[in-house]
Amino acid sequence: LAKTTQPISMDSYEGQEVNITCSHNNIATNDYITWYQQFPSQGPRFIIQGYKTKVTNEVASLFIPADRKSSTLSLPRVSLSDTAVYYCLVGPRLSFGAGTTVTVRA
Amino acid sequence: GAGVSQSPSNKVTEKGKDVELRCDPISGHTALYWYRQSLGQGLEFLIYFQGNSAPDKSGLPSDRFSAERTGGSVSTLTIQRTQQEDSAVYLCASSYNWGVDTEAFFGQGTRLTVV
Repeated sequence: LAKTTQPISMDSYEGQEVNITCSHNNIATNDYITWYQQFPSQGPRFIIQGYKTKVTNEVASLFIPADRKSSTLSLPRVSLSDTAVYYCLVGPRLSFGAGTTVTVRA
Repeated sequence: GAGVSQSPSNKVTEKGKDVELRCDPISGHTALYWYRQSLGQGLEFLIYFQGNSAPDKSGLPSDRFSAERTGGSVSTLTIQRTQQEDSAVYLCASSYNWGVDTEAFFGQGTRLTVV
């Protein structure tokens, strides 16, 4: 299984862009990169998924360099409601690490 | 149903008792996962089922934990002789297929408290 490493926590302010980088040096050829978001007292929910280059949806963007050994989740113009834990997942099994706690302040 | 349903939402049990936690996945989803999340911690993988294949039980912490999935749909996680360290939120998820390249949908979880 590809092991992922991401920062434990990040602080930001409303309206700023938040970028969370995840390292996955031993990603396999067939592995996708998926990000989940978890609010307190709720189960995680899917945010975005990609294989290479850039993926964008209404919530976030995912940047994946050519070597795929890392990925960056970008949250544009965050609000207080974006305060949550963000998980980076790689590989065939939904294996969650500790995630990154993002705290958005007014 | 519209989403993954778990029951009960809360369960308080005495140490040493057995408990059963239920998960109703989204209809048509062949993959089903169980996780455990202690307060302030990440998700700990327990077990997953994929169709008719043998389940991956590699995350079960001890032989007191077991899970079944009947008819490829509803799943039950059983914890025998509960201990205080079993107190956690137990989350179930399902996806159309197995693997990270499909979106998994999570239930709201069962909060288990062992007293």
